[in-house]
Amino acid sequence: QVQLQESGPGLVKPSETLSLTCTVSGGSVSSDSYYWNWIRQPPGKGLEWIGYIYYTGSTNYNPSLKSRVTISLDTSKNQFSLKLSSVTAADTAVYYCARDSTSTAAPDHWGQGTLVTVSS
Amino acid sequence: QSALTQPASVSGSPGQSITIACTGTSSDVGSYNFVSWYQQNPGKAPKLIIYEGSKRPSGVSNRFSGSKSGNTASLTISGVQPEDEAAYYCCSYAGSFVFGGGTKLTVL
Repeated sequence: QVQLQESGPGLVKPSETLSLTCTVSGGSVSSDSYYWNWIRQPPGKGLEWIGYIYYTGSTNYNPSLKSRVTISLDTSKNQFSLKLSSVTAADTAVYYCARDSTSTAAPDHWGQGTLVTVSS
Repeated sequence: QSALTQPASVSGSPGQSITIACTGTSSDVGSYNFVSWYQQNPGKAPKLIIYEGSKRPSGVSNRFSGSKSGNTASLTISGVQPEDEAAYYCCSYAGSFVFGGGTKLTVL
């Protein structure tokens, strides 16, 4: 059973870059069957898709965040990462990593989520 | 890329059936069959309960069903139970993912 676990700082200062890593166990980020996603949820609000990466390194980002987002892959560590630049308080959220199948387009395995607060 | 539209809340008594609608556009929900539904309990990650509009992952109760008509997808919970009280989110994939705003189900 695949498991995903987010890690990274829980507090980031305004205008700085948010960096998170998702470690995958029980599965491989090098598989051609899955996309590896980042999704966030501001406190008390709904879900927002940030983007995904494929094993080839190909990426797809939410147009509203595209200018600030970079998702990368580290196959040697079986991890993928998120960088979000120039953060503001509006980027405060629980950040989830999730896997979705290339055939179903539905994230089916999620990490537990990690809260990132943007504050000075 | 606008969020899909869901009612903020729905309620029902145990044993009743409830339906949550999710309205998109002809560019997302109406054009593709990649609509999924998620159940989220407080403090927990979302759980996939419906994918490709009407398919259930292994282990998901058959009380949950999905359908689509035009630009609107629907989630029906038949015989709602107290443990179904949660937030429900729809999601559409049309080259990128877009979620609905979420619906809080209260079991009376």
